[in-house]
Amino acid sequence: DAGVIQSPRHEVTEMGQEVTLRCKPISGHNSLFWYRQTMMRGLELLIYFNNNVPIDDSGMPEDRFSAKMPNASFSTLKIQPSEPRDSAVYFCASSNRRGNNSPLHFGNGTRLTVT
Amino acid sequence: AQSVTQLDSQVPVFEEAPVELRCNYSSSVSVYLFWYVQYPNQGLQLLLKYLSGSTLVKGINGFEAEFNKSQTSFHLRKPSVHISDTAEYFCAVSRNFNKFYFGSGTKLNVKP
Repeated sequence: DAGVIQSPRHEVTEMGQEVTLRCKPISGHNSLFWYRQTMMRGLELLIYFNNNVPIDDSGMPEDRFSAKMPNASFSTLKIQPSEPRDSAVYFCASSNRRGNNSPLHFGNGTRLTVT
Repeated sequence: AQSVTQLDSQVPVFEEAPVELRCNYSSSVSVYLFWYVQYPNQGLQLLLKYLSGSTLVKGINGFEAEFNKSQTSFHLRKPSVHISDTAEYFCAVSRNFNKFYFGSGTKLNVKP
């Protein structure tokens, strides 16, 4: 089991640029979550998907943020245009909601720095 | 809605001493409870979970937690900590495994 895989691990970009973060959930998991972690706000849920369908995106801060899950093995979180206040660590997590209640399994995160 | 409070942002402790990290939650319905650990530059890893049954839950690395419904608490304990336990610990609740609500975290600093 390779776990949840996120790329890139680090991203440094200039304000105004488009940023795309990628996530590969654990094979067989059917729920996927995007979180943002900052010192000030802690862990915030941005959006989650069940069976590739966005269920709740109420945590997405602004229209500059968008997330997609085109298939069960891939998801992206895009920020366009990026701003310095978007600097944070972004985590992807997955779980298996079929049958047994499954906790979250996190990736190692993408540290985003917007200058 | 559910919320989680971790009153201690930092807990310093000497190696081999016992430790308790506090977690209180608020919810009008039954919830499931979790503790996660985060090591530097890594994602969160599950330590233990309470779903139902015995209120004392044992997890990995010698940690355990006790669910107290009357006090709405789920404190994490370890009888003897190691340097390697230095990390940040997060308490979380979920009503239906859709949304997970995390506390603000407690940084455990184990000193030699």
